[in-house]
Amino acid sequence: QKEVEQDPGPLSVPEGAIVSLNCTYSNSAFQYFMWYRQYSRKGPELLMYTYSSGNKEDGRFTAQVDKSSKYISLFIRDSQPSDSATYLCAMRGHNNDMRFGAGTRLTVKP
Amino acid sequence: DAGVIQSPRHEVTEMGQEVTLRCKPISGHNSLFWYRQTMMRGLELLIYFNNNVPIDDSGMPEDRFSAKMPNASFSTLKIQPSEPRDSAVYFCASSLDRPSNQPQHFGDGTRLSIL
Repeated sequence: QKEVEQDPGPLSVPEGAIVSLNCTYSNSAFQYFMWYRQYSRKGPELLMYTYSSGNKEDGRFTAQVDKSSKYISLFIRDSQPSDSATYLCAMRGHNNDMRFGAGTRLTVKP
Repeated sequence: DAGVIQSPRHEVTEMGQEVTLRCKPISGHNSLFWYRQTMMRGLELLIYFNNNVPIDDSGMPEDRFSAKMPNASFSTLKIQPSEPRDSAVYFCASSLDRPSNQPQHFGDGTRLSIL
């Protein structure tokens, strides 16, 4: 079993839809949780960074962490074609050894 | 602000040749990471440095791979000799570990093709 599981998709939604992206993990030592967005032929770009369980909102993006279930989510409201990208979850403990999910490829159709 | 800068953006070379990838981290960041990304294995950490010192190189696949960080603003990843299975996108990332470990910021990568 991988430490971080993420459905690679692909996921296709119409413009304006709410998108839900998820990851599960097995290592209870993970304390910091991140979501990165990666456009084609570009590096991963940090979207959200959370430490504790609960919700964190930034514009149209909401990150949710449930440590008891070892489950994290990213919600995108009012999705736009420009949100089309691969979304990677990432997590680590108190050291710098970060683990990434496989990434979910999202397409938002106009 | 300048982000992480990697060069070259693309590299195509023949098997057996030496390849050197370069990275300039974000100014002030004291941790630097080298990753490899492939379709099959996703993003894999190869090695990371803290204050220019290699901390964990357990992800370096073979002795053909080596990395250096001679100063706080420059790092190299070298493959010698290169093999076709080394073809991948190599990313450099940097972060600041004070007051607590901050998230990593990535460059746009070097797309490496070994023929």
